[in-house]
Amino acid sequence: GDSVTQTEGPVTVSESESLIINCTYSATSIAYPNLFWYVRYPGEGLQLLLKVITAGQKGSSRGFEATYNKETTSFHLQKASVQESDSAVYYCALGPANKVVFGTGTRLQVLP
Amino acid sequence: GPKVLQIPSHQIIDMGQMVTLNCDPVSNHLYFYWYKQILGQQMEFLVNFYNGKVMEKSKLFKDQFSVERPDGSYFTLKIQPTALEDSAVYFCASSSNNQAPLFGEGTRLSVL
Repeated sequence: GDSVTQTEGPVTVSESESLIINCTYSATSIAYPNLFWYVRYPGEGLQLLLKVITAGQKGSSRGFEATYNKETTSFHLQKASVQESDSAVYYCALGPANKVVFGTGTRLQVLP
Repeated sequence: GPKVLQIPSHQIIDMGQMVTLNCDPVSNHLYFYWYKQILGQQMEFLVNFYNGKVMEKSKLFKDQFSVERPDGSYFTLKIQPTALEDSAVYFCASSSNNQAPLFGEGTRLSVL
């Protein structure tokens, strides 16, 4: 079946450091899956951070970026300089939108 | 922004009882979903629902589960009867056509 594998957390970085959370996917039932990053901030619900539906394209939001790489089946999440407010759990996921498959989530802690 | 609301946030019931989890989706969304997350595991797709019908369900969607959205009100997940293994957090989501689903904060179900 379809699956997503992402960096096992927790990941701890200091404020203003760079970040990468790895995500690779396996899409056996979908030829061209949509790829998503969702985020859950403490005390809040799951929110969409960014999505990319076309291979080779990059999505970005709130300083985060991820590029849909069909060759390496990857969708790594990167940020050049994290802030303490980025502390959250990040989920890589693949679609179609009507049946999203999630990774296990990566807890990120940003130290002041 | 628009929100998906789930009521209640936590429900405790005895094994064998019936439970109904309520979801108030975004008003103009047409697609509805339930996901299940057992503690320490990833969030998994249960079912999607469109135009008054279940479109697709996973193997986790047991015969004891049912969903409905009577007269455009709450989108509900009913479990009858409940089993110990139904203890989990259940997330409702909704979306418009082919858009990434918007999730609620979840209802934690504890079956004793």
